[in-house]
Amino acid sequence: GAVVSQHPSRVICKSGTSVKIECRSLDFQATTMFWYRQFPKKSLMLMATSNEGSKATYEQGVEKDKFLINHASLTLSTLTVTSAHPEDSSFYICSASKAGKLFFGSGTQLSVL
Amino acid sequence: AQSVTQPDIHITVSEGASLELRCNYSYGATPYLFWYVQSPGQGLQLLLKYFSGDTLVQGIKGFEAEFKRSQSSFNLRKPSVHWSDAAEYFCAVGSRGSNFGNEKLTFGTGTRLTIIP
Repeated sequence: GAVVSQHPSRVICKSGTSVKIECRSLDFQATTMFWYRQFPKKSLMLMATSNEGSKATYEQGVEKDKFLINHASLTLSTLTVTSAHPEDSSFYICSASKAGKLFFGSGTQLSVL
Repeated sequence: AQSVTQPDIHITVSEGASLELRCNYSYGATPYLFWYVQSPGQGLQLLLKYFSGDTLVQGIKGFEAEFKRSQSSFNLRKPSVHWSDAAEYFCAVGSRGSNFGNEKLTFGTGTRLTIIP
């Protein structure tokens, strides 16, 4: 199978700071990656679709200026949570598609103090 | 709009017992259907998927699921669970667009499976 690496696995930051989360496809090229957010005891919610070389497509209700997505290469997409607030605390997961299958990163637990 | 319902938030079964996790979906046509498993603090791993054809699909780790159009269900089953099966299980539906429905997946709220000795 394919491997998707997500880093960091856990981050704690102060309110008002920005946090960058990386998602890498280690052994395949991914023109499209997806970013999800998971609240405790809740489902995963698709935040945005990251497209290599173009702007990300955000789902309704997701603030694109707050959740900046950059997909500068075929193996890397980054999600930057800008001016983080405690309500942004959550588990963020990325995924990439290869041959019709989705491969997920191991997730990032963000805690904003 | 597509939606997924997993009515059981938490299920506890004894090791060696059989398992069935329920999933009901809402979609205008025949959807792509998926079951994923998530271990604590981890990403998701695909257990199995249904695209078309045989309505009983086999997955990894001894899991299977049956697509029943009349009931709008895609229940996950395993004849004999192992302690390592303890995890969170998510059912998901994908629209019949490009990329095998992987775009805009809609997930259920998950079922947490606990295994007791």
